[in-house]
Amino acid sequence: EVHLVESGGGLVKPGGSLRLSCAASGFTFSRYSMNWVRQAPGKGLDWVSLISSTSKYIYYADSVKGRFTISRDNAKNSLYLQMNSLRAEDTGVYFCTRDDVVAASDYWGKGVLVTVSS
Amino acid sequence: AIQMTQSPSSLSASVGDRVSITCRASQFIRNDLGWFQQKPGKAPKLLIYAASSLQSGVPSRFSGSGSGTDFTLTISSLQSEDFATYYCLQDYGYPRTFGQGTKVEIK
Repeated sequence: EVHLVESGGGLVKPGGSLRLSCAASGFTFSRYSMNWVRQAPGKGLDWVSLISSTSKYIYYADSVKGRFTISRDNAKNSLYLQMNSLRAEDTGVYFCTRDDVVAASDYWGKGVLVTVSS
Repeated sequence: AIQMTQSPSSLSASVGDRVSITCRASQFIRNDLGWFQQKPGKAPKLLIYAASSLQSGVPSRFSGSGSGTDFTLTISSLQSEDFATYYCLQDYGYPRTFGQGTKVEIK
């Protein structure tokens, strides 16, 4: 069974940094592209970033480009999101998702809360 | 970026009703569209991928149609467990973009 478990969230001041992790199990992690998707409180879904299976291809939403860095360690079955220069508008629940060959974001983690506030 | 315009933003319906939600892309996206269901406090769940393919384990009352720029999610006979918020997602180009969401409420 596919499991995605996010961690690393918390309260951080504006301008601060945080590193999210996503531990994957139940599938061959190294064969799948992975995403981060976020959701501000009471708002809709917001795609953040994608990394391909070998890290060759990486894409970001314009709102996070230059501040966030996605990475992965296939040996550890783990996905990461380094978030720098955090802003209040980055507050929300961050989900780790898997891309199947034909279906984007076919599996989701439960999410982790990031709060950016002074 | 490709804009996804989803409508309606909310709707009220009764159990047994047929419900349709639409997403319109600002440009051609082939059939690279998925539909997701989200219940309060939970992660979204994939219902439909490639515009019209039913994800494994999803009830057959859910169906998707469309290609190009116009897409529809239909629930043929609404059940109590279907009251939730629904989102479309285009994965044709980057950045990927979601529709604004449609909240399906009990009438």
